[in-house]
Amino acid sequence: GDSVTQMEGPVTLSEEAFLTINCTYTATGYPSLFWYVQYPGEGLQLLLKATKADDKGSNKGFEATYRKETTSFHLEKGSVQVSDSAVYFCPRGVVWLYRDSNYQLIWGAGTKLIIKP
Amino acid sequence: DAGVIQSPRHEVTEMGQEVTLRCKPISGHNSLFWYRQTMMRGLELLIYFNNNVPIDDSGMPEDRFSAKMPNASFSTLKIQPSEPRDSAVYFCASSLVPGELFFGEGSRLTVL
Repeated sequence: GDSVTQMEGPVTLSEEAFLTINCTYTATGYPSLFWYVQYPGEGLQLLLKATKADDKGSNKGFEATYRKETTSFHLEKGSVQVSDSAVYFCPRGVVWLYRDSNYQLIWGAGTKLIIKP
Repeated sequence: DAGVIQSPRHEVTEMGQEVTLRCKPISGHNSLFWYRQTMMRGLELLIYFNNNVPIDDSGMPEDRFSAKMPNASFSTLKIQPSEPRDSAVYFCASSLVPGELFFGEGSRLTVL
């Protein structure tokens, strides 16, 4: 069935290091893909999205490219900061046609990122 | 603009008591979601409303859980009776564009 697999955390990096968090999905068709971030003690926030193959989503220095051939949507940032420490989720969209307007997200387990000064 | 507002932020109760969590979605959003987050099970979708109508409640754990959305600006999630295994952070989220969810800050429930 449809699923999302994320890099297992925690991922620990030093400040100013390059970040990659891997995310792959299984799906029929071409779902929209998202990255959400959850800072400690807060709710999740949408970080970026891509709706079709080869789209690149970007926000706050983070980027992710929708790779159809590898069914991946890896998150990257060139130089991380301590303030980027959070849990990152990469859900994919799914539409269940048997019910009207039933668009939902399939969530992965999340990847905890720890940035050390 | 106010975001999604949840109350209470923290709730500590004893097993067997009724718990009611409340959510005010962002004005104009037509979809509302209730999620539960725990270390063991991660993020779980409990129920999803579209235009105040429950669309998918397959994630509601059992009959002890119920959710209502009497109008576009208010929803409740009720647990009766509560059990220690219900301890979790419960999030409400609303959406207008499919997949673009706005989450509240969550209600942390502890059942003793």
